[in-house]
Amino acid sequence: GAVVSQHPSRVICKSGTSVKIECRSLDFQATTMFWYRQFPKKSLMLMATSNEGSKATYEQGVEKDKFLINHASLTLSTLTVTSAHPEDSSFYICSAQSGGRNTGELFFGEGSRLTVL
Amino acid sequence: GDSVTQMEGPVTLSEEAFLTINCTYTATGYPSLFWYVQYPGEGLQLLLKATKADDKGSNKGFEATYRKETTSFHLEKGSVQVSDSAVYFCALKGGRGGSNYKLTFGKGTLLTVNP
Repeated sequence: GAVVSQHPSRVICKSGTSVKIECRSLDFQATTMFWYRQFPKKSLMLMATSNEGSKATYEQGVEKDKFLINHASLTLSTLTVTSAHPEDSSFYICSAQSGGRNTGELFFGEGSRLTVL
Repeated sequence: GDSVTQMEGPVTLSEEAFLTINCTYTATGYPSLFWYVQYPGEGLQLLLKATKADDKGSNKGFEATYRKETTSFHLEKGSVQVSDSAVYFCALKGGRGGSNYKLTFGKGTLLTVNP
């Protein structure tokens, strides 16, 4: 089946630095990718929808200047957490949609655990 | 807006026990319903889905029936195995309160199956 890969799987950084997380669709082209944040014992919270070649659409309450999303190609989207702080520590998960916008199946990456010291 | 409520875990069972994880939803319109599974160290995988009322999704011995009258999509398995230990997420897509392509997730239920 389709595979979505995230990198890095774990990252530890100092407060104030920026961290980039990559999400790649390995065997299909994804015009749409989604970024989620998962808190302990909480559901996945959709942060933004990433569309290839255009600006990401952010969910209410998500700071677009803090969480920079770039979808430069049909197989790669990146999430950059800028000036990270301890409260940004979380599990970030991406998903990519194959096929049509309303019917395509979503495939999820393995997640990236960010720890900000 | 759309929302999904699933039973809080963790759930601990012995091998071959019967499993039920409750899931109810709130949505306008006619959403599609999903169960996703997240095995340790892996990403979410689609387990099963149902796209209209009274549909039954099934996969790997798991079943769930889309019940519009009770707005439920409970996950069941007759005999669980140790390898079923994972986190299970109920989700919906396509209710009028959301959008056609965004998934709304429940909080997840951790299942541990002991030998």
